[in-house]
Amino acid sequence: EAGVVQSPRYKIIEKKQPVVFWCNPISGHNTLYWYLQNLGQGPELLIRYENEEAVDDSQLPKDRFSAERLKGVDSTLKIQPAELGDSAVYLCASSSTSGKNEQFFGPGTRLTVL
Amino acid sequence: AQTVTQSQPEMSVQEAETVTLSCTYDTSESDYYLFWYKQPPSRQMILVIRQEAYKQQNATENRFSVNFQKAAKSFSLKISDSQLGDAAMYFCAYRSGDTLAGSYQLTFGKGTKLSVIP
Repeated sequence: EAGVVQSPRYKIIEKKQPVVFWCNPISGHNTLYWYLQNLGQGPELLIRYENEEAVDDSQLPKDRFSAERLKGVDSTLKIQPAELGDSAVYLCASSSTSGKNEQFFGPGTRLTVL
Repeated sequence: AQTVTQSQPEMSVQEAETVTLSCTYDTSESDYYLFWYKQPPSRQMILVIRQEAYKQQNATENRFSVNFQKAAKSFSLKISDSQLGDAAMYFCAYRSGDTLAGSYQLTFGKGTKLSVIP
C-alpha cells in the first residue's frame, strides 16, 4: 500500500513569490492534515480536512495561506506571498475514521525562502 | 490547552545498550492517547508506539516500551538493544480521546535527538 505522497520534496523561492505544496493521502483515508514544522520544533497543525470540508483551520494564517481539498482526495497548500519566516518543513498526514485513527505522515516539503 | 514537554534536547546511547527518553504532558482530560513518533533525516514521521490513557498496562512494541504514569502525567520511551537505525528525532505527542468533539489534533513536544554510538 502506498503511503502519503508529497511533492515537491524541496522548494527554494524568493520572498514575495507564491508556492504550492501537493499531498496525496493514503487511499481511503478521508481525514487529511497539514502540519508546519519549524527547525528544532515538533509539528503544529495548520488545517484538518474531513473529506472536502476544512473542519479545523484555526491555526492557518489566512492572510497568506490557503488550502484546498477538491473531491476529498488530493490537497494543496498555497502560500502567497511567501515571507522569510515561512521557511520550514510542511508535512501532510492522513487517517481513516475507522480503526485507531492513526495518522500516517508523508515525507514533507522543505521550503526555503530567500 | 494541552502541552507536551520533552526536557532532553539530545541523548546518546551505545549500540546494544538501553536508553530512556522522557516526556511529560499537561491535560485536564481523562480520556486521551499518547504517542511516540520517530523522525529520521528523511523527515518521515513514523509511529513507534501508542498508549491509550484508559489502559493501565504499558504498551510494548518489540524493543520499544513505555512507562506510562498517568497520575504524574509522564510518558517515557525505553529503547532496548539500541541499533544504529534508531538514531533519529523522537517526538512525544498527545491526542484528545474526545473524538466526538473532533479533536484529532496531535500536540507534539519539541523532540529529542537520539544518537547511537557504534
